[in-house]
Amino acid sequence: GESVGLHLPTLSVQEGDNSIINCAYSNSASDYFIWYKQESGKGPQFIIDIRSNMDKRQGQRVTVLLNKTVKHLSLQIAATQPGDSAVYFCAENRGAAGNKLTFGGGTRVLVKP
Amino acid sequence: SQTIHQWPATLVQPVGSPLSLECTVEGTSNPNLYWYRQAAGRGLQLLFYSVGIGQISSEVPQNLSASRPQDRQFILSSKKLLLSDSGFYLCAWRKLEDGTEAFFGQGTRLTVV
Repeated sequence: GESVGLHLPTLSVQEGDNSIINCAYSNSASDYFIWYKQESGKGPQFIIDIRSNMDKRQGQRVTVLLNKTVKHLSLQIAATQPGDSAVYFCAENRGAAGNKLTFGGGTRVLVKP
Repeated sequence: SQTIHQWPATLVQPVGSPLSLECTVEGTSNPNLYWYRQAAGRGLQLLFYSVGIGQISSEVPQNLSASRPQDRQFILSSKKLLLSDSGFYLCAWRKLEDGTEAFFGQGTRLTVV
């Protein structure tokens, strides 16, 4: 079935380095994508989003890149900090019909001091 | 501002017992509401979503049901819990007219014993 998936289940990063988390999606009709951060025992928190008519969007220390040709999404975190340690999920919206938000499997980011 | 409340935070229930988890949203009207389940170390699986009072869409055949008796209230239920119902349950809301990210509650950790 259609799905959103991640390439790397765990990513270890040295504090201060940049992190890149990847996500592949299979539904070419998806029009909106979101990255969430989830800390242990808590609900996911919104990080950044991007619409399908864009290929890049920047926030504070984060950048999302969208490559619709290969159905690939990535999240870049600049100067990774210990507080960035968490599980990161990408999610896709499949349009107005049903308003469903489907999540990928998640990537755990571990920041080493 | 909008807030989402989900309770209880943790729950231990015996196999065969009923379940009722409640989620309420404040500060908005006519939100889209969602129930997700997250197994340990896994991604978020969409269980149910609702676009209005009494309107429930089920994503996965299961032992659970959902109801939306009021505009900002979403309830997840089961008549008889199974061991496989254990997990972390998350409620979320979206307001498509204002933005399309989903906002999550803090989750309920359900352990069926």
